[in-house]
Amino acid sequence: DIQMTQSPSSLSASVGDRVTITCRASQGISNYLAWFQQKPGKAPKSLIYGASSLLSGVPSKFSGSGSGTEFTLTISNLQPEDFATYYCQQYSTYPFTFGPGTKVEIK
Amino acid sequence: QIQLQQSGPGLVKPSQTLSLTCAISGDTFSTISFTWNWIRQSPSRGLEWLGRTHYTSEWLNDYAFSVKGRISINVDTSKSQFSLQLNSVTPEDTAVYFCARARVVGATRFQYYYSMDVWGKGTTVTVSS
Repeated sequence: DIQMTQSPSSLSASVGDRVTITCRASQGISNYLAWFQQKPGKAPKSLIYGASSLLSGVPSKFSGSGSGTEFTLTISNLQPEDFATYYCQQYSTYPFTFGPGTKVEIK
Repeated sequence: QIQLQQSGPGLVKPSQTLSLTCAISGDTFSTISFTWNWIRQSPSRGLEWLGRTHYTSEWLNDYAFSVKGRISINVDTSKSQFSLQLNSVTPEDTAVYFCARARVVGATRFQYYYSMDVWGKGTTVTVSS
C-alpha cells in the first residue's frame, strides 16, 4: 500500500492567517491526490482533486500544489468556518489511502 | 443535486455480518463516469477506504486487502443503491462508515482515475455483544 503522511499533525492559527499543510506519499503518485475537510461529527467534504483543481463551489482561498511525492494545501485568510481537520488521499493505486489528518485549531 | 442516503443498523454482534445500504438520488447510477465507494473511520485506523463498485459494461468490484475475503459490495440498479456487507466482524470493525461517489477526473490509455466528490452522512456502527 502507498503510505500517506501529513505534517504538521496539528497547528494553531488566528483568523486571517495563511496556513500550509504538507502531504507526502511513500511512492510517486503523479498528481492523483485529493484534499478533504472534515468537521466534528460530519462527513468529509471534498475540496481538491488532481492535486490543485478545486471542486465546484470550493472557495479560491483553498489552493493545492505538488506532484510526485510531495504536496501542499494552503488556506488563505482563515475564517472561523475553516477550522477543521484536513486529509489528503491518493487515488493513483488501490487500495486508495488517506493521510492521518492535520487539525487546524484557533489560536 | 445528488444525495447519498445511508441506512443500516448501528449495532452488530461479534462474528455476525455488518450490512449497510447507500441509496443514490438525483444522479445516474450505471455510468462509467462514477465509482461508488465505502470508507470507514475510526480513531485507531483513521480514514480507511474499503472498496468500490463501478460499471463498465458490467459491474466490477475492488476491495482493500485489509478486508478482502470478508467484504462484499453489491448493487441494486432497480433501486439505485449499493450495499456493503462485512462478515465475521470484531470490535475492531467498530467505526463510522461512509459511502461516497467518485467521479472520473483523469484517464490514460490503461485506466480511468476517480476522485471522491460526494459523501453520505455516515453511519456509526458498533460491534459489541
